[in-house]
Amino acid sequence: DMKVTQMPRYLIKRMGENVLLECGQDMSHETMYWYRQDPGLGLQLIYISYDVDSNSEGDIPKGYRVSRKKREHFSLILDSAKTNQTSVYFCASSFGGGSSQNTLYFGAGTRLSVL
Amino acid sequence: GDSVTQTEGQVTVSESKSLIINCTYSATSIGYPNLFWYVRYPGEGLQLLLKVITAGQKGSSRGFEATYNKEATSFHLQKASVQESDSAVYYCAPLSGSFNKLTFGAGTRLAVCP
Repeated sequence: DMKVTQMPRYLIKRMGENVLLECGQDMSHETMYWYRQDPGLGLQLIYISYDVDSNSEGDIPKGYRVSRKKREHFSLILDSAKTNQTSVYFCASSFGGGSSQNTLYFGAGTRLSVL
Repeated sequence: GDSVTQTEGQVTVSESKSLIINCTYSATSIGYPNLFWYVRYPGEGLQLLLKVITAGQKGSSRGFEATYNKEATSFHLQKASVQESDSAVYYCAPLSGSFNKLTFGAGTRLAVCP
């Protein structure tokens, strides 16, 4: 059905708690992404994964780590969340190789509030 | 670094009226000319609206058009007659030289009034 699913959709955590955001896709895409969007800013790339256990930092990786043990799943982990990590997080996927041909498919987003 | 500037905040348009959402980008950091517009409808993820990969070309989809103007470094989104179902957030996203590294604008929320 060509879908990217993010769980949970809404999450409230206290500062210092660990956070796990999950993303799944049913298109067997090699490449997956985590972005965050803050008010007034464009989506900022946190991490890219080119396939299982093949992850690279994006533009703002500090405070985050990722895990990709299966091609269809890509997790974003915040160890000891901070209030400035309050944001909307988007997961995306695309076929690997080339660039202009590869449309990104996005999940609906996870709204995280760190209090 | 790469930067994108698009019409800020929210744009409110009456149904059947015309629309333009401006988008300009920093040319020095764009490796090669691939330009995208993504749209996010309420409750959904971003989805590709249209793309143009050659300077001077026009992309179109669902009645929307955008022309890649390399001299002006612009990629404005236009529609001649908007519908209520077009209410969404629109993101301009030029592709930099890196592998699939899109630079997203902040998004422009379009509200179409009946």
